[in-house]
Amino acid sequence: DAKTTQPPSMDCAEGRAANLPCNHSTISGNEYVYWYRQIHSQGPQYIIHGLQNNETNEMASLIITEDRKSSTLILPHATLRDTAVYYCIVRVARDDKIIFGKGTRLHILP
Amino acid sequence: GAVVSQHPSWVICKSGTSVKIECRSLDFQATTMFWYRQFPKQSLMLMATSNEGSKATYEQGVEKDKFLINHASLTLSTLTVTSAHPEDSSFYICSASEGWIIQYFGAGTRLSVL
Repeated sequence: DAKTTQPPSMDCAEGRAANLPCNHSTISGNEYVYWYRQIHSQGPQYIIHGLQNNETNEMASLIITEDRKSSTLILPHATLRDTAVYYCIVRVARDDKIIFGKGTRLHILP
Repeated sequence: GAVVSQHPSWVICKSGTSVKIECRSLDFQATTMFWYRQFPKQSLMLMATSNEGSKATYEQGVEKDKFLINHASLTLSTLTVTSAHPEDSSFYICSASEGWIIQYFGAGTRLSVL
């Protein structure tokens, strides 16, 4: 799997949009970008994934650059419950593994 | 999304005993499940891939005789920590894929070995 680079931590004010960046400059053509988050003492929660088009669901939006070398996860209206470690993962969809990096610790400030 | 259930959520045991952790896919069949371990303030580390009806595949450095994995059905995988010691205390998490696109994770099991 391609490596990803994320900032170790970020702050965001409650109610504002949280924009979490991820670099994956060595991504291959058949690799998807996935985002998961882990709230303290819980298992990781799937957020969203995409190949090359921007994606949106009830939780977040995923913006992937045209060259696919980076992406941004957007939480449109952050709440205190969004405080978590966010992991950006690149993998082939049919691959049998997810390898976690260190992720970004997002702090939502009241 | 699909639901993956883990049991127990918390277990305390004496050193030298064995502990079994169950991972179930509640609303889908999973030919493959995965087991992770997470130490405090660290990321998840993949331990092994559990394959229904065959032997598990362990990551480098993970002792297969220490961490026994059984995947007897399409909805159940178990991880047994044998002869547990305090250094095995950790947060153990399983996951399963629905249709190979999305992996869903259990809530985790916190193991404390006294």
